[in-house]
Amino acid sequence: EAGVAQSPRYKIIEKRQSVAFWCNPISGHATLYWYQQILGQGPKLLIQFQNNGVVDDSQLPKDRFSAERLKGVDSTLKIQPAKLEDSAVYLCASSSSPAPWGDTQYFGPGTRLTVL
Amino acid sequence: GQQVMQIPQYQHVQEGEDFTTYCNSSTTLSNIQWYKQRPGGHPVFLIQLVKSGEVKKQKRLTFQFGEAKKNSSLHITATQTTDVGTYFCAGPYGQNFVFGPGTRLSVLP
Repeated sequence: EAGVAQSPRYKIIEKRQSVAFWCNPISGHATLYWYQQILGQGPKLLIQFQNNGVVDDSQLPKDRFSAERLKGVDSTLKIQPAKLEDSAVYLCASSSSPAPWGDTQYFGPGTRLTVL
Repeated sequence: GQQVMQIPQYQHVQEGEDFTTYCNSSTTLSNIQWYKQRPGGHPVFLIQLVKSGEVKKQKRLTFQFGEAKKNSSLHITATQTTDVGTYFCAGPYGQNFVFGPGTRLSVLP
């Protein structure tokens, strides 16, 4: 079974520029998560989707971050405009469980963002 | 607030020695999960504990959930170089899912 796919793997931008990340979850997984992992820290949940609906986005800095999962399959996370403190690895994860936190989360390889 | 603490932050062991990491939550959890992240890699699910006092084993790894469901531990017997990585505990807090800061394990051959 194919895993969670993410692209690009690396991105370098200057502050105030925009950037977008793409995620394709494991086929059939209804739940999709975006995490931000700053170097040396644990992943921090940004947003959770159930099919194409947002379950929780309370940790998402909505003044600059946005995410969508229009057809309930793949998802994009956008940052506009980027700040230096956004430098991190952005991880996408998916789960087959419809209920929050009841099942294994499978993580993609992540996108490493560097903001100069 | 939602807090998950882990100790130690770092652990260096000689190959063959045992290793234990501890996870403490500020509030009672419905379940707790453990993940392993190799250097340069992504988190990989290890196990989920649900019941108070639950103990689960995976080969050389033993996981325990505290009676009060506020703490957990991961014990590795006779570490190997393949055990190198950061071990995270994580749990649900309402709609949020919070990872601890992790314990970074290095194993000297």
